[in-house]
Amino acid sequence: DIQMTQSPSTLSASVGDRVTITCRASQSISSWLAWYQQKPGKAPKLLIYKASSLESGVPSRFSGSGSGTEFTLTISSLQPDDFATYYCQQYNSYSFVTFGQGTKVEIK
Amino acid sequence: QVQLVESGGGVVQPGGSLRLSCAASGFTFSSYGMHWVRQAPGKGLEWVAFIRYDGSNKYYADSVKGRFTISRDNSKNTLYLQMNSLRAEDTAVYYCAKDLAAAATSIFDYWGQGTLVTVSS
Repeated sequence: DIQMTQSPSTLSASVGDRVTITCRASQSISSWLAWYQQKPGKAPKLLIYKASSLESGVPSRFSGSGSGTEFTLTISSLQPDDFATYYCQQYNSYSFVTFGQGTKVEIK
Repeated sequence: QVQLVESGGGVVQPGGSLRLSCAASGFTFSSYGMHWVRQAPGKGLEWVAFIRYDGSNKYYADSVKGRFTISRDNSKNTLYLQMNSLRAEDTAVYYCAKDLAAAATSIFDYWGQGTLVTVSS
């Protein structure tokens, strides 16, 4: 199975900060990577797919980059609504979908 | 708008069975692959199972293979997850999720609100 490792596990930041979360795959997944945002008690929300494609309706302050084994999610200017946990997910095949362990973005 | 509403969760003893349902609306259900994804309390996300739009192919995580069965009724716009031989480690919120495209991608663009399954004696 492909392992996904996110860093950091927790991130403390202030409103207006530029925030970057990293996701590393244990082997190449080309650009088959998605990012999700999850708030407490809620279902995850799709932000980015195919490493850098912004899902419809997602603010442009969110962006994704990378290919192969290293990927990043960037929030250009952190807003109060962005404090949440973020997960990366590889989807190299139907039966080998795996998520990272999550990165919690906290208020500094 | 797309809506996915899960039901059927509850408390069950180890070794017991439970069937989850997910009622879909707001899109052409019969044209999209569907998934179940779970999240143990305070933990991360784990993909559980996938079914093609027509039910012809099904895939499972190793952790549930042989115990869980995914199915769908396109006439009722409903997805199911039959869970047998339940274990304590199956305790989680179970989400149904829609695939982004008609040709399955394993990208989850809509999720239900989740239903909690607790396996405990």
